[in-house]
Amino acid sequence: GDSVTQMEGPVTLSEEAFLTINCTYTATGYPSLFWYVQYPGEGLQLLLKATKADDKGSNKGFEATYRKETTSFHLEKGSVQVSDSAVYFCAGEGGGNKLTFGTGTQLKVEL
Amino acid sequence: NAGVMQNPRHLVRRRGQEARLRCSPMKGHSHVYWYRQLPEEGLKFMVYLQKENIIDESGMPKERFSAEFPKEGPSILRIQQVVRGDSAAYFCASSPRDREETQYFGPGTRLLVL
Repeated sequence: GDSVTQMEGPVTLSEEAFLTINCTYTATGYPSLFWYVQYPGEGLQLLLKATKADDKGSNKGFEATYRKETTSFHLEKGSVQVSDSAVYFCAGEGGGNKLTFGTGTQLKVEL
Repeated sequence: NAGVMQNPRHLVRRRGQEARLRCSPMKGHSHVYWYRQLPEEGLKFMVYLQKENIIDESGMPKERFSAEFPKEGPSILRIQQVVRGDSAAYFCASSPRDREETQYFGPGTRLLVL
């Protein structure tokens, strides 16, 4: 079945540092890919998505590009803020409206 | 437009009791999904429903768990005879009537079984 593998955390960065959280997927086809963010005690919020190869999703300074050749969808941000501290989940939807999630990567940004 | 609503936000049950979790999808959404998040883990798909129909329940445990989405009212996830291993956060998501891949999540219900 489909699976999503993402970088283990926690990741601790200083404010204004560059962020990369790796995500790769395994699927029979080419699923739509998503990044969700979960702040403490809250539900998941959609951060960005891409539905086909070479699509770039972007939102709030975060970006991710759907790379078919490497089956990857790495999340990047050029300059993180303390308010970006959260858990980030990569997910794929390969059909059947069923999302497959990675295990999540906790990000902590310090001053 | 209100988001996906879930209640209660926190639920405490003793072993053997029943837990009922409610989810009201976003206005105009007729597809509902339930996911479970165990401590320190990602979300796992449980069930996908449309109004009065279960479309995919491949992630539901075979016993004690059931879900419904009636014509009127919220979707209900019901867990009978809860055990400690059922302690988790249960998230509901919804998507619009047309085939739409973006799912919008509710705040979750955190179930604690004593």
